[in-house]
Amino acid sequence: NAGVTQTPKFRILKIGQSMTLQCTQDMNHNYMYWYRQDPGMGLKLIYYSVGAGITDKGEVPNGYNVSRSTTEDFPLRLELAAPSQTSVYFCASSYSAGREDGYTFGSGTRLTVV
Amino acid sequence: GDSVTQMEGPVTLSEEAFLTINCTYTATGYPSLFWYVQYPGEGLQLLLKATKADDKGSNKGFEATYRKETTSFHLEKGSVQVSDSAVYFCALSTGANSKLTFGKGITLSVRP
Repeated sequence: NAGVTQTPKFRILKIGQSMTLQCTQDMNHNYMYWYRQDPGMGLKLIYYSVGAGITDKGEVPNGYNVSRSTTEDFPLRLELAAPSQTSVYFCASSYSAGREDGYTFGSGTRLTVV
Repeated sequence: GDSVTQMEGPVTLSEEAFLTINCTYTATGYPSLFWYVQYPGEGLQLLLKATKADDKGSNKGFEATYRKETTSFHLEKGSVQVSDSAVYFCALSTGANSKLTFGKGITLSVRP
């Protein structure tokens, strides 16, 4: 059982480039989330989804887009990368809203924008 | 809105020392409470949880008790090991908005 898988693990982007961070889960979880983690700042929610075809903004959605065409996949798109998007990105999933069992996290993507 | 406050860090302890990491919360309704651990270079892992008042969550020698009267969920371990060096996050969920609310995390370093 792989859990939540994120690719790539590391990436360096130039300012203005775009990329997609991939996230897939094999637990048949309805809910999926994208967070960014900056040093000393904890986790900030970017976007989340409560099921296929449904997405919503979190605290810091600007500069990002998501889609949820299947239950398994929840890719995060960065358009026109900026240095402020240098961060570690985590994808997570949960069966319900997280109240009973919390979230399962992926191992993260470390992104540097130069 | 919901919020989680963790004590300021970092924390440095010697091996076999007693550990307490404070966590208090503000929430509407009756939240579930969680502690997550993040080892260097890895994602967050659920360490323990409690879903109602007076519940005690425990795992790997760590414990935390859900105290509704003091709105707290402090993490404790009687004897820390070097392998416990990590970042620890307290979190809550009310389930109403489909999201966990995290504290800022605290870095624990255990020296031999």
